[in-house]
Amino acid sequence: SQTIHQWPATLVQPVGSPLSLECTVEGTSNPNLYWYRQAAGRGLQLLFYSVGIGQISSEVPQNLSASRPQDRQFILSSKKLLLSDSGFYLCAWGLLKKTQYFGPGTRLLVL
Amino acid sequence: DQQVKQNSPSLSVQEGRISILNCDYTNSMFDYFLWYKKYPAEGPTFLISISSIKDKNEDGRFTVFLNKSAKHLSLHIVPSQPGDSAVYFCAARENAGNMLTFGGGTRLMVKP
Repeated sequence: SQTIHQWPATLVQPVGSPLSLECTVEGTSNPNLYWYRQAAGRGLQLLFYSVGIGQISSEVPQNLSASRPQDRQFILSSKKLLLSDSGFYLCAWGLLKKTQYFGPGTRLLVL
Repeated sequence: DQQVKQNSPSLSVQEGRISILNCDYTNSMFDYFLWYKKYPAEGPTFLISISSIKDKNEDGRFTVFLNKSAKHLSLHIVPSQPGDSAVYFCAARENAGNMLTFGGGTRLMVKP
């Protein structure tokens, strides 16, 4: 069966510091991978998605970037965090035209 | 422009009764709809989906209804249980697309 991992689970970072969140998927090949953010009390906002290694599409221009160095690895990064980057970050995987499945999430607090 | 809307931010229901969560959409190109359940500090869990060629899909206590002419879908939970208390998101996918558009969520509280 497929499993999706995210780490860390919780992160507190100062403004201006870098960020790296990692997501890995097991049990499937060539999945579509997604990064979402849920701000406090709000819905899910798609940030990035990837249909293959090195292929990244950005949905919302902002202070973040994503990379997919391996088939089942998706990384969310920032060079300098802003206060507004605080939120709950979710990685998801899915196969072509199928349901998306979410990881456990990373809670990021920027102070 | 919100293409998927959940107009009720919260819903309170007595245990054993029916919970009805609603979702409206504006994009007529959406052809696949999903419901997710989310507990605090956890990722959303897939519940049930429906294709636009159907108007109803049932899985145990969960039934999703789709009214294409009204661009409306609903999730029925019968009977509601305290463990159903969570935030429910509806989502929609456009023809041949890989991305989902989510509604803002509805917080369901099932009281014992």
